[in-house]
Amino acid sequence: AQKVTQAQTEISVVEKEDVTLDCVYETRDTTYYLFWYKQPPSGELVFLIRRNSFDEQNEISGRYSWNFQKSTSSFNFTITASQVVDSAVYFCALKDYGQNFVFGPGTRLSVLP
Amino acid sequence: DAGVIQSPRHEVTEMGQEVTLRCKPISGHNSLFWYRQTMMRGLELLIYFNNNVPIDDSGMPEDRFSAKMPNASFSTLKIQPSEPRDSAVYFCASSLGATGDDTEAFFGQGTRLTVV
Repeated sequence: AQKVTQAQTEISVVEKEDVTLDCVYETRDTTYYLFWYKQPPSGELVFLIRRNSFDEQNEISGRYSWNFQKSTSSFNFTITASQVVDSAVYFCALKDYGQNFVFGPGTRLSVLP
Repeated sequence: DAGVIQSPRHEVTEMGQEVTLRCKPISGHNSLFWYRQTMMRGLELLIYFNNNVPIDDSGMPEDRFSAKMPNASFSTLKIQPSEPRDSAVYFCASSLGATGDDTEAFFGQGTRLTVV
């Protein structure tokens, strides 16, 4: 069975601080895919990034960066120089080869001015 | 493309009534997912279809819930009879889908269901 754990339920930071959101996953598949989504207060789910299990390269996109480590089954997300607009719930998700797509419980990030 | 379209956006119904939620996936997408979001349980995968065929419905909470996908452009999630504990936001999502596909799921705006 697949499982995604996001141990941090809520995080509060002050604007311009860096923050890392943790994600740990479990799967028996050797081929799988990892994702991060953002859910702002308006409620829609916005795709941020995907990674497949064979690609452990870290990625940076502007203020966002992702660290994928198969050895620890982790796919962490860092926001550098956080902004108030980053306030949202962030979900880590895991899709297996057969398209079963499960989400973690989410981390609510509050960025205070 | 207009994205994944869900209707209605909001639904208020009385306990015991039948509720039908509708979803139109993105054209060309082969996988469709139904999720339920609550504060207590987060985003739960209820069921997913591949090429209109239900693949895994183990997340459906009980027999009162049923989902269908009669064709590639339409799916329904039905609750009969509804109960107050079914109150939640229900999301539909679709992805390009075939086995081994690595693409992300695109989500609809959700249906906020309130059962009183």
